[in-house]
Amino acid sequence: GAGVSQSPSNKVTEKGKDVELRCDPISGHTALYWYRQSLGQGLEFLIYFQGNSAPDKSGLPSDRFSAERTGGSVSTLTIQRTQQEDSAVYLCASSPRLASGELFFGEGSRLTVL
Amino acid sequence: AQKVTQAQTEISVVEKEDVTLDCVYETRDTTYYLFWYKQPPSGELVFLIRRNSFDEQNEISGRYSWNFQKSTSSFNFTITASQVVDSAVYFCALSEASGAGSYQLTFGKGTKLSVIP
Repeated sequence: GAGVSQSPSNKVTEKGKDVELRCDPISGHTALYWYRQSLGQGLEFLIYFQGNSAPDKSGLPSDRFSAERTGGSVSTLTIQRTQQEDSAVYLCASSPRLASGELFFGEGSRLTVL
Repeated sequence: AQKVTQAQTEISVVEKEDVTLDCVYETRDTTYYLFWYKQPPSGELVFLIRRNSFDEQNEISGRYSWNFQKSTSSFNFTITASQVVDSAVYFCALSEASGAGSYQLTFGKGTKLSVIP
């Protein structure tokens, strides 16, 4: 498809396990963003990429969170030693250029940590 | 620091009524951008509009209109003659025009709109 694709759409895991969430942005979009959406909390910015570079990682909630992007395309968000408070919908978005603000979002990956 | 406040958590209206969603923002920058996004029940956020801080003209797009007032730091969104398909969560967002804040949108917590047939 032509939109932002995220996988898995749903992930249930046990506390302490590692999870990987994947994002395929729209082809040609140089900017890629990860947000987290928790019930009643709105959207929380996690990290952005310009190409393969993530200049600012301060939005990541803890050092258990990491993200990478390869080939200026696919991005992976990894959460190590998951905790129950990590349960949320993780949204990926891409944009033709950084700072345009017009983001194209995927449908998200719903993570449930038991 | 930038902040967006959407005081209305949930609104219910009967179809064909007009409804206004409020958005108040805070920023120290003189140049910034404001946005509205729609998140229907399917979950995927959809971009609706972007305004820059130098353009206070109201904008109308079909049944949608936006009222930007710098004097009150507000960027309100009105849906005229609401329809059931307008039922969604609507997010207001802000980004700065330069610096680290330009690379991320700060979102409000959203307003859930339910249009009742």
